[in-house]
Amino acid sequence: AQTVTQSQPEMSVQEAETVTLSCTYDTSENNYYLFWYKQPPSRQMILVIRQEAYKQQNATENRFSVNFQKAAKSFSLKISDSQLGDTAMYFCAFMKLHTGANSKLTFGKGITLSVRP
Amino acid sequence: EAGVTQFPSHSVIEKGQTVTLRCDPISGHDNLYWYRRVMGKEIKFLLHFVKESKQDESGMPNNRFLAERTGGTYSTLKVQPAELEDSGVYFCASSLQGFEAFFGQGTRLTVV
Repeated sequence: AQTVTQSQPEMSVQEAETVTLSCTYDTSENNYYLFWYKQPPSRQMILVIRQEAYKQQNATENRFSVNFQKAAKSFSLKISDSQLGDTAMYFCAFMKLHTGANSKLTFGKGITLSVRP
Repeated sequence: EAGVTQFPSHSVIEKGQTVTLRCDPISGHDNLYWYRRVMGKEIKFLLHFVKESKQDESGMPNNRFLAERTGGTYSTLKVQPAELEDSGVYFCASSLQGFEAFFGQGTRLTVV
């Protein structure tokens, strides 16, 4: 079974600064996906960024980037130039790569990020 | 395009009562998932539909939970009878192909 660990329950960052959210996972699988989801106070979760385990290059989406260390089973999210709208709960998630049917997500406990004006 | 919609947004019921949660996925999405988050814990997988068939129901806690997906469209999750430990936020998600799941806003269930 897979586990995802987010050890920091909450963090705070000043607007325009950079913050890194940590995530570690445990799996015996070799092919999988990792995700960061964001849940703003309005509660709908949205996908922030996705990383395929077979890709060595770290994924980047505008101000969001990841540091994926496969051997260390670490998957941190860096948010650059933090904005007030980044205030949300962030969940790290794992998905096994199945041929054919989609698979379920395994989530961490989440981290509450507050961006200070 | 409409996103994943869940009804109701909040529900408060007494222990022993029945509650039915509904999820309308994005039109055309064959995959539909139910997840639950109990306060302070991880979001846990409950089950996965592919069209109207249950692909994986390994996360269903017990037989008080019954999920259905009518004609491969909307899905309902019934809890009967509800217990205190069933309180939490129930999320529905849908996906087409690929690996992006789109989530609804969740239903906050409180059992008193």
